[in-house]
Amino acid sequence: QKEVEQNSGPLSVPEGAIASLNCTYSDRGSQSFFWYRQYSGKSPELIMFIYSNGDKEDGRFTAQLNKASQYVSLLIRDSQPSDSATYLCAVGANRDDKIIFGKGTRLHILP
Amino acid sequence: NAGVMQNPRHLVRRRGQEARLRCSPMKGHSHVYWYRQLPEEGLKFMVYLQKENIIDESGMPKERFSAEFPKEGPSILRIQQVVRGDSAAYFCASFERREENIQYFGAGTRLSVL
Repeated sequence: QKEVEQNSGPLSVPEGAIASLNCTYSDRGSQSFFWYRQYSGKSPELIMFIYSNGDKEDGRFTAQLNKASQYVSLLIRDSQPSDSATYLCAVGANRDDKIIFGKGTRLHILP
Repeated sequence: NAGVMQNPRHLVRRRGQEARLRCSPMKGHSHVYWYRQLPEEGLKFMVYLQKENIIDESGMPKERFSAEFPKEGPSILRIQQVVRGDSAAYFCASFERREENIQYFGAGTRLSVL
């Protein structure tokens, strides 16, 4: 069964520091990788997607993908209290296949 | 997630009643996923629909649950004879192109079964 694993946290990071969120996946053939942010009681919000090995940057966010290690991460630079949320990693076998979500990592930015 | 409309936002049903959840995808999107989320749990895939077609319903319970996405109107997730274990948040997500699968979520429907 295809699995996506995340540390549930909470991960506490001081304001202004770099938050590093990690995710591993079981299906070596996975092709598409997504990070969603979910505030308590709200719906998931897409932050980043990445398809190729390496880094992809968007503002304060950087997604890193290492297919050989079956590992994808999200870095948040200059963390803000508003970044406190649950971050969901999602992985798809193919670009047109359903994506499997991890249970999420709770991030807490300390003011 | 602006643009994906779900209603109602909150739905209360007694055991044995039917729950009907609606989802209107973003303009131009013809693909819809439905997910269920329990407290402190991840999103669980239920069903993937295109207009007038069920593409993948492998995540949906065989009994009491059904989904449709008609040519006109919203996608509907129907739960018959609800039980307390059906209480959860139900999200739909839509996307434009199957080869990208970049999904945008609606605000969800919180179903409470008394």
